[in-house]
Amino acid sequence: GAGVSQSPRYKVAKRGQDVALRCDPISGHVSLFWYQQALGQGPEFLTYFQNEAQLDKSGLPSDRFFAERPEGSVSTLKIQRTQQEDSAVYLCASSPGPGNTIYFGEGSWLTVV
Amino acid sequence: KNEVEQSPQNLTAQEGEFITINCSYSVGISALHWLQQHPGGGIVSLFMLSSGKKKHGRLIATINIQEKHSSLHITASHPRDSAVYICAVGIYGNKLVFGAGTILRVKS
Repeated sequence: GAGVSQSPRYKVAKRGQDVALRCDPISGHVSLFWYQQALGQGPEFLTYFQNEAQLDKSGLPSDRFFAERPEGSVSTLKIQRTQQEDSAVYLCASSPGPGNTIYFGEGSWLTVV
Repeated sequence: KNEVEQSPQNLTAQEGEFITINCSYSVGISALHWLQQHPGGGIVSLFMLSSGKKKHGRLIATINIQEKHSSLHITASHPRDSAVYICAVGIYGNKLVFGAGTILRVKS
């Protein structure tokens, strides 16, 4: 596709359920980011990949959050034992590399009930 | 204090008005980004700048590195400009720290 694609767009999970959010970056983009955006707030950094290497995971809020990009392309953000405070939009972004324009996906809207 | 501060938080303008949104930051940056977010979540990158001024259509972005301040201007505003405008700074590589956003509503 032409842009960053995320799936699912909308997910309702019961508290305690595990969820997996997928990101397909623009082909050839080296850098991939995950951000969390709570309602009415700006996005907050979660983690950053350069190719398959996770260079920064300092923003992951707890050990229930895990991200991977095993082949340096598609990335998955997994949230285990979801809690209500995990309800947010999860945004994926990719870039050709550091210092380049960043392209965002439409986001995955997660609601934990 | 947040590392990136935007003002105003909310802005209502009449169609045709000149609009300015301000962004101040307190950290060393590699670049500053202006982003547009429409309802539904999609974010579009408007500008990435590290010095001076950039113009794209009716949008102009300026940055003053010494004062750690940037402005986004919209000339001849239109209702389709209604969106959330977000300032984000790159603190190293492409890691971004975001402002809280400015909600702009342009009335016809």
